[in-house]
Amino acid sequence: GESVGLHLPTLSVQEGDNSIINCAYSNSASDYFIWYKQESGKGPQFIIDIRSNMDKRQGQRVTVLLNKTVKHLSLQIAATQPGDSAVYFCAETQFQGGSEKLVFGKGTKLTVNP
Amino acid sequence: EPEVTQTPSHQVTQMGQEVILRCVPISNHLYFYWYRQILGQKVEFLVSFYNNEISEKSEIFDDQFSVERPDGSNFTLKIRSTKLEDSAMYFCASNDHNEQFFGPGTRLTVL
Repeated sequence: GESVGLHLPTLSVQEGDNSIINCAYSNSASDYFIWYKQESGKGPQFIIDIRSNMDKRQGQRVTVLLNKTVKHLSLQIAATQPGDSAVYFCAETQFQGGSEKLVFGKGTKLTVNP
Repeated sequence: EPEVTQTPSHQVTQMGQEVILRCVPISNHLYFYWYRQILGQKVEFLVSFYNNEISEKSEIFDDQFSVERPDGSNFTLKIRSTKLEDSAMYFCASNDHNEQFFGPGTRLTVL
């Protein structure tokens, strides 16, 4: 069945280090993947997305890698800052250009130590 | 910058009571969603809505739940007879053809 999960529930890094957050998905039909950041008391905030026809996409300080062979997704944050502390969720769906049901993973709590 | 808004931020209700959670999606968006997040757990899809009808709903979205777009700006989630297990954060989201934008959520507490 459909499921999206994360390998680690928590990750603690030093300010300035690079962070890598991993995600495994099981639905082979999924072709659109998104990373969301959720700060305490707030809704999920879009970070970056990737379609299944790509294996890497870069944004500002963030990179998403997709390995369809092993159904693995990762989010890399460069030069992690205290403001990056949050829970990070990956989500998968089948892209339809509008009405997509997002299936979220359980989340990884990132703590950045000054 | 346009954003999704939700009211109230916190709703406390007695078991068996009806609640209506309100959302104002981003104005030019066409697709609307409700998700919920039980404390400490992942975000779960409830329902998607387009062109004044439900596009898809999850198993959670049973007969006690309904959605409505009563006018050109609001999108509501109604729970007819709340249960203790309905206590959660409820997030509204909207999009046009790309990423979904989420509101800040309504914390529903059922006593």
